[in-house]
Amino acid sequence: EPEVTQTPSHQVTQMGQEVILRCVPISNHLYFYWYRQILGQKVEFLVSFYNNEISEKSEIFDDQFSVERPDGSNFTLKIRSTKLEDSAMYFCASSFLRATDTQYFGPGTRLTVL
Amino acid sequence: AQTVTQSQPEMSVQEAETVTLSCTYDTSESDYYLFWYKQPPSRQMILVIRQEAYKQQNATENRFSVNFQKAAKSFSLKISDSQLGDAAMYFCAYRIGGGADGLTFGKGTHLIIQP
Repeated sequence: EPEVTQTPSHQVTQMGQEVILRCVPISNHLYFYWYRQILGQKVEFLVSFYNNEISEKSEIFDDQFSVERPDGSNFTLKIRSTKLEDSAMYFCASSFLRATDTQYFGPGTRLTVL
Repeated sequence: AQTVTQSQPEMSVQEAETVTLSCTYDTSESDYYLFWYKQPPSRQMILVIRQEAYKQQNATENRFSVNFQKAAKSFSLKISDSQLGDAAMYFCAYRIGGGADGLTFGKGTHLIIQP
């Protein structure tokens, strides 16, 4: 069964460094998403992406974040200058359609900022 | 803004018994979708069941079923014949139909299965 994959599973970085989290969505899906989950808290929507541009973003997704689909398979989330509070689990998700379709999640990347 | 409330931080059930997890939501929309996701210790979010608001019939997936009360804005998940593998965090989630993309999640219910 097709699934969303994410790399790395765990990323440790120093405060102020840039990180790139990678995702490979399900191959025929058209919509891509990033969510984050700070330890012990609820999952929060960051951004959605379709047709090579941002479709929607939350207030969390400020200028330090960016997303990109650099090729036909990968979808990346870049955090430009990491802060301690960026430590969280980051989930990528994809869906075939937009409004009506189920989003399928990847296993997540645990980001630890020291 | 839409909100999703899960009032039970933790639930415990004996193996083979039935348990119901509660979820309420607040919205002024008429077209929306509701989901239950499971997050086992591996942390991956796995879809359990979904419900379209326009459907009156409650969704069912094997041992999992929902009780969708649209007027009360309630969306509970019933797990029958609980199994050890059902132990996980369960998140209720909401999404507006026809527009906004992001899922709004509740805080989750930690389900413990007693052998």
